[in-house]
Amino acid sequence: DQQVKQNSPSLSVQEGRISILNCDYTNSMFDYFLWYKKYPAEGPTFLISISSIKDKNEDGRFTVFLNKSAKHLSLHIVPSQPGDSAVYFCATNTGFQKLVFGTGTRLLVSP
Amino acid sequence: DAGVTQSPTHLIKTRGQHVTLRCSPISGHKSVSWYQQVLGQGPQFIFQYYEKEERGRGNFPDRFSARQFPNYSSELNVNALLLGDSALYLCASSPSGGELFFGEGSRLTVL
Repeated sequence: DQQVKQNSPSLSVQEGRISILNCDYTNSMFDYFLWYKKYPAEGPTFLISISSIKDKNEDGRFTVFLNKSAKHLSLHIVPSQPGDSAVYFCATNTGFQKLVFGTGTRLLVSP
Repeated sequence: DAGVTQSPTHLIKTRGQHVTLRCSPISGHKSVSWYQQVLGQGPQFIFQYYEKEERGRGNFPDRFSARQFPNYSSELNVNALLLGDSALYLCASSPSGGELFFGEGSRLTVL
């Protein structure tokens, strides 16, 4: 039973446009969410996080929005760049550094 | 500074064999976690160790075991390998809390 769901396995956008990656979760007790990016042959790297006390967190081109009532979060990348092409994982922290990941969304940014 | 290093990077085993995967955390990091990533899925939590003690265990059979050494490096052992154990095994380290830093992983193929 997937506690964190990423329903879009892939997303294609053009360079300079906005990329929006979505994530849904099932447990309203989850209170900390993270996004990781993974390139082929590399381990996941931390991108941005958000605590449930906030509804938005911004870091440069990356913004994460949290809608607690809908149990939904999204990652916005503006403007998208070809180097952003990777698999993006949404995750939540369910214990002492125990992360539960979604299945990932593969983003392709074309020039 | 060296990141999280894992060895071997690739290995092939046959069903019923045993495998040992190794992980060296970032210098100064006392916590090590192990994750299994099956193709097309997100990483799944296996174990977390802090100061040489097991702090968390995921939903994996007893064939999976791990330990952490005094220098904070770690081993993941899997006995009686099954075809379904074929996956990318990721190690992550962190200081006492906070962000996880992942290694590039050990890709295990079971034939």
